[in-house]
Amino acid sequence: DTGVSQDPRHKITKRGQNVTFRCDPISEHNRLYWYRQTLGQGPEFLTYFQNEAQLEKSRLLSDRFSAERPKGSFSTLEIQRTEQGDSAMYLCASSRQGMNTEAFFGQGTRLTVV
Amino acid sequence: GNSVTQMEGPVTLSEEAFLTINCTYTATGYPSLFWYVQYPGEGLQLLLKATKADDKGSNKGFEATYRKETTSFHLEKGSVQVSDSAVYFCALSDLRDYKLSFGAGTTVTVRA
Repeated sequence: DTGVSQDPRHKITKRGQNVTFRCDPISEHNRLYWYRQTLGQGPEFLTYFQNEAQLEKSRLLSDRFSAERPKGSFSTLEIQRTEQGDSAMYLCASSRQGMNTEAFFGQGTRLTVV
Repeated sequence: GNSVTQMEGPVTLSEEAFLTINCTYTATGYPSLFWYVQYPGEGLQLLLKATKADDKGSNKGFEATYRKETTSFHLEKGSVQVSDSAVYFCALSDLRDYKLSFGAGTTVTVRA
């Protein structure tokens, strides 16, 4: 069990550029979540997959954001036309299916938009 | 909707002091409650959880009891160590979709 891994760990981009982040969940976990965390705040839910199906998207996820999990394994989160307000830590978590199962978090990708 | 309010920090303590971090929640139904911890340079880790009223979660000397009547889940430790210095997040999970709603986090610093 290698845990949830995210890549890259840090990304600096210019405003208006597109960025893509990757998350590799724990291999037997079929649920995958994306959260966003800004300084001094707790993580906020963005979206959730069960296998390859995206089951819920937060209102925080504007049209510039898209997430995929094409084969029910790794997931990508893309932000198009980045804005300074997108600067945050993007966290991925995964869990098994079932009630009260623990979500395991990756170390996150820190995005800075300049 | 669901929300979590936790004690603002930062909190600074001496080693062996008693730690309490207050957490209250608003939720429909019967959520599960969690405390997550983030040590410096590391990702979020589950510290403890409770899934129904009056359940007590415990781990590493930390405890929290699910109090439905006061909608609270306060975190306590009787004798903190320097290694407990971290950011602590209270969270709840709506059993309909399992996503977590987090509080803002409380930074705890323990001095030797």
